[in-house]
Amino acid sequence: KQEVTQIPAALSVPEGENLVLNCSFTDSAIYNLQWFRQDPGKGLTSLLLIQSSQREQTSGRLNASLDKSSGRSTLYIAASQPGDSATYLCHTTSGTYKYIFGTGTRLKVLA
Amino acid sequence: ETGVTQTPRHLVMGMTNKKSLKCEQHLGHNAMYWYKQSAKKPLELMFVYNFKEQTENNSVPSRFSPECPNSSHLFLHLHTLQPEDSALYLCASSQDGPGTSGRPEQYFGPGTRLTVT
Repeated sequence: KQEVTQIPAALSVPEGENLVLNCSFTDSAIYNLQWFRQDPGKGLTSLLLIQSSQREQTSGRLNASLDKSSGRSTLYIAASQPGDSATYLCHTTSGTYKYIFGTGTRLKVLA
Repeated sequence: ETGVTQTPRHLVMGMTNKKSLKCEQHLGHNAMYWYKQSAKKPLELMFVYNFKEQTENNSVPSRFSPECPNSSHLFLHLHTLQPEDSALYLCASSQDGPGTSGRPEQYFGPGTRLTVT
């Protein structure tokens, strides 16, 4: 069974820091991996999607990498801002286990 | 705005009620999804529709009944729910389903907060 784990579960950093969020998955036979953010009580906002053939994707201050062989993805946030405070979720899609979400990292950026 | 709307945003219902959740996407996508988000548990996939056909039913109890009349609309009919069904129900859509070289990126609606009393 595919398990998707995110470490740390919670993170608090001062404004301006660069930070890395981690996502690990047990079954490397994924089609793609998608990163989302979720604000309290709200739906999910898509940040980046990496296809299985890709190594990384970038959007503004965000960079996501994918290493299928080791079952890991990282989301790098440069120069963090208070508006980045949210829960970050990774999500894998595969033929066998379909759509599995990670446990989430709750990020707080302090002004 | 993601182009996916859900109504109602909040719903309180008794265990004997029947209610429906509605999702509409304005993105021209072909696949739609229902997810459940309970407190302290990861988001769980419930149903997937691709080109109006149900392709996934993730062992969801029959008290939840989905309906997809066209590729833009998705409903979740609720009947004799239990208090443990209280959760945030999220709808999503994507241009293509998984395992394709197309566009599988999912876009989510704001969710319906359901409370079963």
